[in-house]
Amino acid sequence: DAKTTQPPSMDCAEGRAANLPCNHSTISGNEYVYWYRQIHSQGPQYIIHGLKNNETNEMASLIITEDRKSSTLILPHATLRDTAVYYCIVREEGNNDMRFGAGTRLTVKP
Amino acid sequence: DAGITQSPRHKVTETGTPVTLRCHQTENHRYMYWYRQDPGHGLRLIHYSYGVKDTDKGEVSDGYSVSRSKTEDFLLTLESATSSQTSVYFCAIRLGLAYEQYFGPGTRLTVT
Repeated sequence: DAKTTQPPSMDCAEGRAANLPCNHSTISGNEYVYWYRQIHSQGPQYIIHGLKNNETNEMASLIITEDRKSSTLILPHATLRDTAVYYCIVREEGNNDMRFGAGTRLTVKP
Repeated sequence: DAGITQSPRHKVTETGTPVTLRCHQTENHRYMYWYRQDPGHGLRLIHYSYGVKDTDKGEVSDGYSVSRSKTEDFLLTLESATSSQTSVYFCAIRLGLAYEQYFGPGTRLTVT
């Protein structure tokens, strides 16, 4: 069971990069890392996912360490609207769902 | 937003009454999911479907049943609602082989 560990909360200044860490030391070779976020009262929103290589899309970048035991989600220029709970998830092979933990509550401050 | 709607968005019901929540999608995705979200527990999977009439249980399926008679609709039924089923219920669909999930806006259910 590849679990993840995230800090419960983080702050970031508006306009600065937000770097959200995630530890997944028991990840297996074919398990992907996913990131979602949930803005208050809304449904979770998919952000990005990766296996080994770093990934970037219009929302964020995902940096996965070479040993795959940790990853970092980067929001390059955080805005107030990025304030949300961010979930790092490792999906076990054979699981059809996402197992959401407690996540990191990111607060972007003016 | 993957064309997912949930109805009703809010519901208050009494203990012991049956309740059905509806999830509707417009893009013919095969996989659909029902989650519940409670303080201190995060999101937990109730049931999911991998096609018409094909469903399976999730982590917290007791007290819930589901049906999927057509691709676009996935129904969640509480046969006899209890106060412990007060929660926010989210429906999701899965896109493709990468298991990305897209969530609906949620239904807030209160059982009194």
